[in-house]
Amino acid sequence: QSALTQPASVSGSPGQSITISCTGTSSDVGGYNYVSWYQQHPGKAPKLMIFDVSNRPSGVSNRFSGSKSGNTASLTISGLQAEDEADYYCSSYTSSTTWVFGGGTKLTVL
Amino acid sequence: QVQLVESGGGVVQPGRSLRLSCAASGFTFSSYGMHWVRQAPGKGLEWVAIIWYDGSNKYYSDSVKGRFIISRDDSKNTLYLQMNSLRAEDTAVYYCARGDYGGNSRPHHWGQGTLVTVSS
Repeated sequence: QSALTQPASVSGSPGQSITISCTGTSSDVGGYNYVSWYQQHPGKAPKLMIFDVSNRPSGVSNRFSGSKSGNTASLTISGLQAEDEADYYCSSYTSSTTWVFGGGTKLTVL
Repeated sequence: QVQLVESGGGVVQPGRSLRLSCAASGFTFSSYGMHWVRQAPGKGLEWVAIIWYDGSNKYYSDSVKGRFIISRDDSKNTLYLQMNSLRAEDTAVYYCARGDYGGNSRPHHWGQGTLVTVSS
């Protein structure tokens, strides 16, 4: 149950787009379309932003989108806003019938 | 709306036990799978355990298997995490989270968490 691999940090200016990658294996990310992305502001609980690779829960801005290719999933945020500054975590179902998270990526809006 | 309120956290000595609770409201508790996820201070999220809607299946991370037990009481709309043989590395904020359906679905709705500190 190794954690999924995410970059430690990414940054972008308001209005720009950024992409966060999440790399796993064929036993998790690559094997199932059950990748989710969570946003977490300091001191707050995580919030689901993307589920099943590319679906947005009701109420989540369409500036957030997800995709997957092979063992790597990606979260793209377009039209960056100051409120997007947060930690982002990917998660995947695994072949062991468990779930695994990525190490997290800190997004800084410059 | 979905509400999840964790309780039971605190300071506990290594090797001792602690039971966390998660009170659920705003939805039909008995219809959904439930998770525990933890976050050590300054660290990332770590999935801990899941229990299916009917309690028929329970799965654990390798780091807690054999020491932690997840359970539910649908008559009280409450999820539990019995933590035994606690270690310093179990120190974390523990979140309960509701899945999107009865079986093994992603954590969706989260509580605010309860802090567990394992220290002598």
